[in-house]
Amino acid sequence: DVKVTQSSRYLVKRTGEKVFLECVQDMDHENMFWYRQDPGLGLRLIYFSYDVKMKEKGDIPEGYSVSREKKERFSLILESASTNQTSMYLCASFGVTYGYTFGSGTRLTVV
Amino acid sequence: EDQVTQSPEALRLQEGESSSLNCSYTVSGLRGLFWYRQDPGKGPEFLFTLYSAGEEKEKERLKATLTKKESFLHITAPKPEDSATYLCAVSTGANSKLTFGKGITLSVRP
Repeated sequence: DVKVTQSSRYLVKRTGEKVFLECVQDMDHENMFWYRQDPGLGLRLIYFSYDVKMKEKGDIPEGYSVSREKKERFSLILESASTNQTSMYLCASFGVTYGYTFGSGTRLTVV
Repeated sequence: EDQVTQSPEALRLQEGESSSLNCSYTVSGLRGLFWYRQDPGKGPEFLFTLYSAGEEKEKERLKATLTKKESFLHITAPKPEDSATYLCAVSTGANSKLTFGKGITLSVRP
């Protein structure tokens, strides 16, 4: 089975902190994605990457950056966390055989 | 701009009461339509991919269909364990990114 692993299920950070959310997939997929999910707003695309060191902005990239140094790892970075970034963050990877596979999510609370 | 609208927002069924969930879309060039199931506090779990109008796929009590404007997820004789949020998403570009609807929360009472 394809596996997408997010390093933390729950995180609590303070306003202004730099936050790293890590995502690792084990199926050699090229395309990886970061979404956030909020009640009433659904899933919104933050950033995606279709190759190592390649990245593209999604629909809501403001306040976020990403890093893809290795094919299996895609990191989301909150440069200076703010309370409006409190959300559920979901990582996904795409492969032709299995389509999209999501991680279990990281629920981030910024206080 | 691609748009995906799911209805109703929430649906409550009695066990065994069959129904359908709707996903309507407005896109320029559909490459694929996806259905996911999401349990509370977890990531979405893949159910189906549909690629062209007229296509149908089935899995246990679920059947997904696709027309040029919408997709339906039919649930036959649902059980309480089918309770979840069902998400619909479309892919239109070569980069495989998805645009999601807001989801339909299904509750099945015993």
